Amino acid sequence: DAMVIQNPRYQVTQFGKPVTLSCSQTLNHNVMYWYQQKSSQAPKLLFHYYDKDFNNEADTPDNFQSRRPNTSFCFLDIRSPGLGDAAMYLCATSRDRGTASSYEQYFGPGTRLTVT
Amino acid sequence: SQQGEEDPQALSIQEGENATMNCSYKTSINNLQWYRQNSGRGLVHLILIRSNEREKHSGRLRVTLDTSKKSSSLLITASRAADTASYFCATDAMANSKLTFGKGITLSVRP
Repeated sequence: DAMVIQNPRYQVTQFGKPVTLSCSQTLNHNVMYWYQQKSSQAPKLLFHYYDKDFNNEADTPDNFQSRRPNTSFCFLDIRSPGLGDAAMYLCATSRDRGTASSYEQYFGPGTRLTVT
Repeated sequence: SQQGEEDPQALSIQEGENATMNCSYKTSINNLQWYRQNSGRGLVHLILIRSNEREKHSGRLRVTLDTSKKSSSLLITASRAADTASYFCATDAMANSKLTFGKGITLSVRP
């Protein structure tokens, strides 16, 4: 089945130690998104790729970076995790960004990041 | 501030009852989407309603959209214990096609 896969499901890292979360998709979608979701809060968009075109949200900290080496894979790098970065990180895809209207998004199961 | 705001924040009902959840938003939209999230999991798309539509059905789900009031409702009929989850509305503002999610409603369906 076509899907969005995130690895690992749970990640523990130390304060200040770089960490990379990965996302892959078999849907062949053009757009990939990274969201941060803290407990009982709305998912917050960090950035998205439209093909190779990277789009950063204005309030996304510089500590967060992303790479998309090909259509299928996207990585979230947190250069120096702080305690406030502990959250669920969700990857999502959609078939297009749309100029007139958005499309439904397909989410992975998420990676729960703990910072010690 | 949040584009989408759901209410109530939490809802507890008996299996078999209907669940109604509401979402209000502030700016004009292209469409409004509802998602479900089971505890500790990713979001699952339920239904998308366009700004020129007023009502949409999908199985036991019924969504309405009132653009004059900038509000939407999600009705789940004949609820089941498996419907227990958080439900989010998400809107895309006319200026762009990115989704902005509300804080979500926690639905508990008691067996």
